[in-house]
Amino acid sequence: NAGVMQNPRHLVRRRGQEARLRCSPMKGHSHVYWYRQLPEEGLKFMVYLQKENIIDESGMPKERFSAEFPKEGPSILRIQQVVRGDSAAYFCASSSAGNTEAFFGQGTRLTVV
Amino acid sequence: TQLLEQSPQFLSIQEGENLTVYCNSSSVFSSLQWYRQEPGEGPVLLVTVVTGGEVKKLKRLTFQFGDARKDSSLHITAAQPGDTGLYLCAGAGRGYGNKLVFGAGTILRVKS
Repeated sequence: NAGVMQNPRHLVRRRGQEARLRCSPMKGHSHVYWYRQLPEEGLKFMVYLQKENIIDESGMPKERFSAEFPKEGPSILRIQQVVRGDSAAYFCASSSAGNTEAFFGQGTRLTVV
Repeated sequence: TQLLEQSPQFLSIQEGENLTVYCNSSSVFSSLQWYRQEPGEGPVLLVTVVTGGEVKKLKRLTFQFGDARKDSSLHITAAQPGDTGLYLCAGAGRGYGNKLVFGAGTILRVKS
């Protein structure tokens, strides 16, 4: 499967716990983007990463959220001390260098109880 | 701030009817993409338009990019129940880097 792979598909966390969302880009893609989708809303940009570099994190909340894309392995979106308002679908997309055409994974649906 | 306005928000039509979805902005984009998303799934890329005035056809779907690259439309001819879903437009470039700015989406329901 050469598509963007996200896991887990569903994640339930209690308030105060940590959530880790993983994304493996399409083969040959070096750019990863994270978006959040709340019910009844469109997708909102969070962060744009290349290998070992954060290029644009203007859409990421300043506290509790972090993202990385290490030299080896998947990109990770980490949410510390989750709150109910963090419940949403989190989508990862990838693209090749110099190409804005992005392909999305199936998303991780985070539910905070 | 929502930079891409999509209309209508909801559309419920009978099988066989035609429809148009609009995506408008006051900003110029270097490219615009249309996605279709089904419940519980990620957005699937339908088309990318990059040239002002460009028209692309994908079977019964026709996509147009405005001359000024600020707006786009998606026209579906003879809609079928399988077209049901959330249609999203997304703009890229011109100061936004490689990130996409999404419209809020149009929920289309085609009844048989």
